[in-house]
Amino acid sequence: NAGVTQTPKFQVLKTGQSMTLQCAQDMNHEYMSWYRQDPGMGLRLIHYSVGAGITDQGEVPNGYNVSRSTTEDFPLRLLSAAPSQTSVYFCASRTDRRSVEQYFGPGTRLTVT
Amino acid sequence: LAKTTQPISMDSYEGQEVNITCSHNNIATNDYITWYQQFPSQGPRFIIQGYKTKVTNEVASLFIPADRKSSTLSLPRVSLSDTAVYYCLVATNSGYSTLTFGKGTMLLVSP
Repeated sequence: NAGVTQTPKFQVLKTGQSMTLQCAQDMNHEYMSWYRQDPGMGLRLIHYSVGAGITDQGEVPNGYNVSRSTTEDFPLRLLSAAPSQTSVYFCASRTDRRSVEQYFGPGTRLTVT
Repeated sequence: LAKTTQPISMDSYEGQEVNITCSHNNIATNDYITWYQQFPSQGPRFIIQGYKTKVTNEVASLFIPADRKSSTLSLPRVSLSDTAVYYCLVATNSGYSTLTFGKGTMLLVSP
């Protein structure tokens, strides 16, 4: 199993540009989520999904959209990038919403200039 | 969700045992205590979870007193490669949990 994969690893955007961060898992996990991590901070939840077709907002959802059309994929869209969205983004998955063992991807380092 | 409090940083030397304590005063009956480890430039990795008393695996031990208002992650004989941030989380398994990560404890192991 590849586990949780994320692409790209690095990305530089200009203010106002849009892009999609890709996340996929091959463990047939129901639950997937996106976090962002800023220097010296913990991880903050952006959006999560408890299954295909179901998404919900986390702690810091503004400026981001998600969709979950398949069990495997959970892309994160930045609608109009802002410097405040410069961060490292982690995708994660777990078996279902009751599980506490979460598997994280390697992260995407995003810089918005 | 119960709020957790843990030290911002800790220092240790190779070969020592390290104990990281986390307080979670308002933990609920259905809550589990979970610890994650994060190496630089990597995503967090699940280490251990427990409900009460003691849990041990190949990586660490988790000690939870009877009142469950705190927990201690114990790392035996640390090495340089144990340098990482350690997160204590409280999560419920009775419904769903969004797994809230605080700032964690930065453990620095020196030679």
